[in-house]
Formats: sequence, C-alpha cells, structure tokens
Amino acid sequence: GQNIDQPTEMTATEGAIVQINCTYQTSGFNGLFWYQQHAGEAPTFLSYNVLDGLEEKGRFSSFLSRSKGYSYLLLKELQMKDSASYLCAVRPMDSNYQLIWGAGTKLIIKP
Amino acid sequence: NAGVTQTPKFRILKIGQSMTLQCAQDMNHNYMYWYRQDPGMGLKLIYYSVGAGITDKGEVPNGYNVSRSTTEDFPLRLELAAPSQTSVYFCASSPDSLGFNEQFFGPGTRLTVL
Repeated sequence: GQNIDQPTEMTATEGAIVQINCTYQTSGFNGLFWYQQHAGEAPTFLSYNVLDGLEEKGRFSSFLSRSKGYSYLLLKELQMKDSASYLCAVRPMDSNYQLIWGAGTKLIIKP
Repeated sequence: NAGVTQTPKFRILKIGQSMTLQCAQDMNHNYMYWYRQDPGMGLKLIYYSVGAGITDKGEVPNGYNVSRSTTEDFPLRLELAAPSQTSVYFCASSPDSLGFNEQFFGPGTRLTVL
C-alpha cells in the first residue's frame, strides 16, 4: 500500500525554528511536495524535492532522503502567520500528475 | 488571471438530493482534479481529467460523476446525497509538463448533507 505519515500537531514559539517530518512508503517515487493550508482556505504550494538534499526558499527549507523515505520542512524565524497545516504529498513513480497526500501537521505558533 | 474558481462556497443538502459543484480554471491547464478533505484526513482524490473529454476515477469515486467538455470547466455531480458526503471539496489544476507539476487549488466548497 501507499502511506504518508506526519505528526498530527506541533506547537512552537514565535521567532523560533520548527521541523516538520514526513515519512512515506509509495510505489516508487517521482517527487515530494509541501503545501501550506491556513484554516478554512485552500492548500498553497511551498516546496518541491525530487533529488536528495536541502532546498532553501527564504525562511522555509525542505529536505529529502529518498533512501530513507523521509523529508522534513524547516521553518525559521517563526511568525504568527505561520500557524497553519502543512501537507506532505508524494508523486508515485507511475504517475506524472497524481499525488498521495499525508493528513497534514497542524502547527500552532505561540507568542 | 482568476486561477481556479469554485461555486458555491457553501451548500446544505438534504439526503437524496443532487447537486453540481462547479469548477473553472483560466490557466489553460490540461490536468484537473477533484478532492475531498475530511477533518484530520489527507486530501482524497475523487476524479481527475488529463484533458477535455478524458476523465478517470481516483481513490473515492463512488457517489460522484464528472464531465470535461472544455479545457476550462470540470464540474462534479453528486447524485443521491448521503451524510458520508459531508466534506470540503477542492478542485485543482496543473500544467502537463514533466517533472515539477504544481497543483493550483480553488477556494473550496463546504458541503453538509443532513
């Protein structure tokens, strides 16, 4: 079967750093996405990894290890507006367009 | 560009009623998708389309139907609504380039079946 695991909820303090992990077991691998979803809104794209290593984009970075079936999203200098759910999604090898989605991690930022 | 638009934003249905959720995109994307999102669950693919006239089932197609007569529009039809179809429905689209293929989402339709 295909499965993606993320922690259900995490809490962090404004100005701090938080790491959200994602592990996956899928039928092959053809890319991993991170999306942000504020409560009551649609998901919006954050990052994409297809090769091992770290991709940095401003305060957000995403890491991938294909051999371990593992990724993390790193958020630095947390702001209150970062309170949202973070969704990990994997594209299986046999698809160019379908994604398998994790349940998402709800991140709560405290002052 | 308006991106992906969905109507209505909210709807309450009675058991057994039918309705159509509308979705349109103006980015000339060939790929379009319908998802449902239940509380605490990941997005589940209902149906998808790789171009006008071509549709296929996703993970959870039972109780739904779709059509794709144009590149822009991808309506989702619910026949004989059931309480299990209470959910938030998202339509999305993506370009058909190989490799990186970001999905763009509409604002969602929140449906309650009573």
